[in-house]
Parts: sequence; structure tokens; C-alpha cells
Amino acid sequence: NAGVMQNPRHLVRRRGQEARLRCSPMKGHSHVYWYRQLPEEGLKFMVYLQKENIIDESGMPKERFSAEFPKEGPSILRIQQVVRGDSAAYFCASSPQGVATNEKLFFGSGTQLSVL
Amino acid sequence: GENVEQHPSTLSVQEGDSAVIKCTYSDSASNYFPWYKQELGKGPQLIIDIRSNVGEKKDQRIAVTLNKTAKHFSLHITETQPEDSAVYFCAASRRTSGTYKYIFGTGTRLKVLA
Repeated sequence: NAGVMQNPRHLVRRRGQEARLRCSPMKGHSHVYWYRQLPEEGLKFMVYLQKENIIDESGMPKERFSAEFPKEGPSILRIQQVVRGDSAAYFCASSPQGVATNEKLFFGSGTQLSVL
Repeated sequence: GENVEQHPSTLSVQEGDSAVIKCTYSDSASNYFPWYKQELGKGPQLIIDIRSNVGEKKDQRIAVTLNKTAKHFSLHITETQPEDSAVYFCAASRRTSGTYKYIFGTGTRLKVLA
């Protein structure tokens, strides 16, 4: 049973380019969360999605950032016109369906975004 | 707003000694408290968790205690080993709008000296 899969592991972009980060949740999980981690800091919530729905995007910047979790395929975090301040590790986490068990979060290995 | 404070930010212990990391949360509705271990270049891994109806939970060398009244919870690692060296994050979570909202602490970098 594969864990949460994120790709790419490392992504280098020049200022003004677009960054696309992908996340495939664990098998059977229908809830996906995206977090950002700056060096020496904790995990900051960005967005929570279920299949085809954004449930909570309160942590995501209003401009340039978007996320989706289509019916088929991975969840995508998209950053348009990247700036140096977007450089960070982006982690995806998933949780299982079900009221009793959906509190456990399982994290992927992250995508390290570097903006030149 | 909701907040989780974690102390210390760094901790060095001799191999075999115990390590204690403490967290304080502000949201009294929080009812689930997981701890994550993050090794260099990897994602956080869940190592132990506790729910608000339990005061203490133990799993081999790791234990977590919860004081709901004081809104404190702590991670205890006994007989530390070099492979325990990592960054540890606490989190406080509560159910809202059909899911669990997590607030993470800022992390503790634990170094176990051989």
C-alpha cells in the first residue's frame, strides 16, 4: 500500500514562471491537504480538498495560488508567476474517509521549490 | 487566533537519556493531539497521538501526556538513541465543517549525542 506520493521532489523555477506540484493520496483516501514549510519553521496550512471540491482554502494566498483535486488523477497545487518568497517545501497530506478515522494525516515526502 | 506553542526549539541530550518536548494550545475545542517526526529531507511521520478523553498513552520508548485543564501536552522519549535525532512537531486538532483542522507547533530539533 503505497503512501502519499508527491512529485517532483525538487523543482527549480525562474521568477515569473509557473510551478505545478502533484500529489497522489494514499489508496482509499479522499481528503487532501497542502501545507507549506519554510526553513526552520513549522507547517502552515494552505488548502483542504476533497474530490472535485475545495473545502477550506483559508491558508492559501488569494493571488497566484490555486489547487484542484479532480475526479481522476492527482491533486495539483499551482503557483503562477512565482517569486523568490515562494521558495519553500510544500507537503501534501491525506486522510481516510469516514467520521471515526479521518483525523489521522499521512504526509508525503514533499516538493522543494526553489525560485531563482 | 488559534495557536500552538512548542518548547524547546532545540534540544540536545546524551544517548540513553530522556527527552521531553512540551506544547500548549489555545483552542479549548481541540480534541486530538498527534506528534510527528520529520527526518532530514523527508515528510513528517506520525509517531504517536492522543485523544482528549485519555490522559496518557505509551508506545515502547515514546509516551504522550495530556492535561486538558491546563491545555498542555508533552512528548516523552526515554532511552534516546541517535536515530531519534530529528525535528518533532506537535499539533492540536478539532473537528470542524466535516474535517479536522490542525494547528502545528513550530517544531523541536532533537539531537541525540552518541
